[in-house]
Amino acid sequence: QVQLLESGPGLVKPSETLSLTCGVSGYLISDGYYWGWVRQAPGKGLEWIGHFYYGEEPYFNPSLKSRITLSGDTSRNQLSLKMISVTAADSAVFFCARFRGNCVTTSCQIDSWGQGLLVTVST
Amino acid sequence: DIQMTQSPSSLSASVGDRVTITCQASHDIHRNLNWYHQKPGKAPNLLIYDGVDLETGVTSRFSGDGMGTEFTFTISSLQPEDIGTYYCQQYSRLPLTFGGGTKVQIK
Repeated sequence: QVQLLESGPGLVKPSETLSLTCGVSGYLISDGYYWGWVRQAPGKGLEWIGHFYYGEEPYFNPSLKSRITLSGDTSRNQLSLKMISVTAADSAVFFCARFRGNCVTTSCQIDSWGQGLLVTVST
Repeated sequence: DIQMTQSPSSLSASVGDRVTITCQASHDIHRNLNWYHQKPGKAPNLLIYDGVDLETGVTSRFSGDGMGTEFTFTISSLQPEDIGTYYCQQYSRLPLTFGGGTKVQIK
């Protein structure tokens, strides 16, 4: 059974870059499925950030596209998210996730989630 | 973006009650809709996909219906472990968008 676990700083200063990683166990990210991120501001709903198939161009939320980089590292079997120029509005629990399908030409569901990592943007 | 509107935003019901949540899409999304359940402090869990299909391992007390712009999620007999927030999510068009959530509590 696949397991995902986010890691990274819990506190980031405004205007700086947020860098998160997600370790994946039980499944190789290069073997299939799409992989990505969803965030949830405190007390709020869910927001899709983006997802990708290993070796292909990612799909991004247009509202975040200019600030986001998504990648996968097969040597460590992990995902990475970088978000530049963060503000307080970016404070959220960040979930890494496995997507079943690409959501563009096929059906898609998020069938596995990490436990989530709270990131606060503050001085 | 496709806006997803859930109602009610919260509800309180008794154990054994039938509970129905509605999700309305701002555009026709065919049946391209999923439902998730999130318990406090936890990640969401996939319940229903493609509008009506029950995810493997999920209780048959849950069901989904609808097509186009109107969708429903039903719990046939509410149980204490069903408390939490339920979200619909469309995948008809990027960006993927979620409903605002329906918080379910036990009366």
